[in-house]
Amino acid sequence: ETGVTQTPRHLVMGMTNKKSLKCEQHLGHNAMYWYKQSAKKPLELMFVYNFKEQTENNSVPSRFSPECPNSSHLFLHLHTLQPEDSALYLCASSQGEASGGLNTGELFFGEGSRLTVL
Amino acid sequence: AQSVAQPEDQVNVAEGNPLTVKCTYSVSGNPYLFWYVQYPNRGLQFLLKYITGDNLVKGSYGFEAEFNKSQTSFHLKKPSALVSDSALYFCAVRDRDNYGQNFVFGPGTRLSVLP
Repeated sequence: ETGVTQTPRHLVMGMTNKKSLKCEQHLGHNAMYWYKQSAKKPLELMFVYNFKEQTENNSVPSRFSPECPNSSHLFLHLHTLQPEDSALYLCASSQGEASGGLNTGELFFGEGSRLTVL
Repeated sequence: AQSVAQPEDQVNVAEGNPLTVKCTYSVSGNPYLFWYVQYPNRGLQFLLKYITGDNLVKGSYGFEAEFNKSQTSFHLKKPSALVSDSALYFCAVRDRDNYGQNFVFGPGTRLSVLP
């Protein structure tokens, strides 16, 4: 039990489908992250939400659309994906950063959602 | 800009021998440093972190890491490796003097402990 739960764990979708990945954290954190992990590539930061506000969009294509309705939930909406988008998508959370502060907390990761785009 | 290097893609060690997984970093300010482990088809698990104070940090599962400011390194060590330590290890850095900077991860080192 990591405190960060991701669903589904596995997802297969066609290029024209619309699907969503869900992440929920039970740690009382205020920052949530989406990372993409592809084979033989470094971990790629996609989006960051701090106190429900998006603070980072790391040049991610618009076919990936994040949503953070509250500090405990984070979604990644997927639409018209490409086969090269197949990867492990990892959600993480950490203590949030109020203005002027920098937390020392580590990231807590979920188990990931393995996405295959056909 | 922040960066993390893990110079070895793969480290092989015999069970019972000491292991070292290397990490060097670059930040414009002072670093917070982290090690994570990832088992197959799982998320990353936190092992240990350096924030300030003692340069030798002890973490989970008998792992430790030594912060060396002059060499900008944070190598992960364990005195006696177990087969179950075989996994992918990631070093990460965050610049504590730059508010808003996020975690930067190294490319990972695959550790194989041979029985």
